[in-house]
Amino acid sequence: EAQVTQNPRYLITVTGKKLTVTCSQNMNHEYMSWYRQDPGLGLRQIYYSMNVEVTDKGDVPEGYKVSRKEKRNFPLILESPSPNQTSLYFCARNRATNEKLFFGSGTQLSVL
Amino acid sequence: AQTVTQSQPEMSVQEAETVTLSCTYDTSESDYYLFWYKQPPSRQMILVIRQEAYKQQNATENRFSVNFQKAAKSFSLKISDSQLGDAAMYFCAYRDNDMRFGAGTRLTVKP
Repeated sequence: EAQVTQNPRYLITVTGKKLTVTCSQNMNHEYMSWYRQDPGLGLRQIYYSMNVEVTDKGDVPEGYKVSRKEKRNFPLILESPSPNQTSLYFCARNRATNEKLFFGSGTQLSVL
Repeated sequence: AQTVTQSQPEMSVQEAETVTLSCTYDTSESDYYLFWYKQPPSRQMILVIRQEAYKQQNATENRFSVNFQKAAKSFSLKISDSQLGDAAMYFCAYRDNDMRFGAGTRLTVKP
């Protein structure tokens, strides 16, 4: 079954403590992306990747890093988290522009 | 940049009745795709319906249908015979190369 596996589902951390949210897919799709969801703002794109070693900024990239060393994995890295990064995060993948996005289960992050 | 606007933060409908959720978008492109996603309390993002901009015919999926007005850049979702399980956040989304989402509409279904 086609899946996007995102971990952890819940994470509480403190300001400045580096963290990584992992995302992996089992469909060999080129396109992967990260979104954050905030009340009243919907989902906003953080970073996306069109293929291995190809990443680009979305609408809200500040404070985040990503890497795409292999097609399967697309981790989201917060080098020095701050409270304004408290949010619900989604990883997504798809094969083509006309396809729907397949979403992971989400990661609820709280930065204290 | 393309923007997606959902002007109704909250909507309410009586069970078995019909409700329409509004969505407008801004783009200069002629070829794109539009989506409605449902997000129940489980947080899972579930595709409800998809519309290709080059198709004039409105998409339909069982009780869900859209009213796509390309010239007006409008893409509303109609839910017929509303059920308790339809209660959720609904997001409208636009896609050419990247996908952009509206702020969402929280739908409540009253028994």
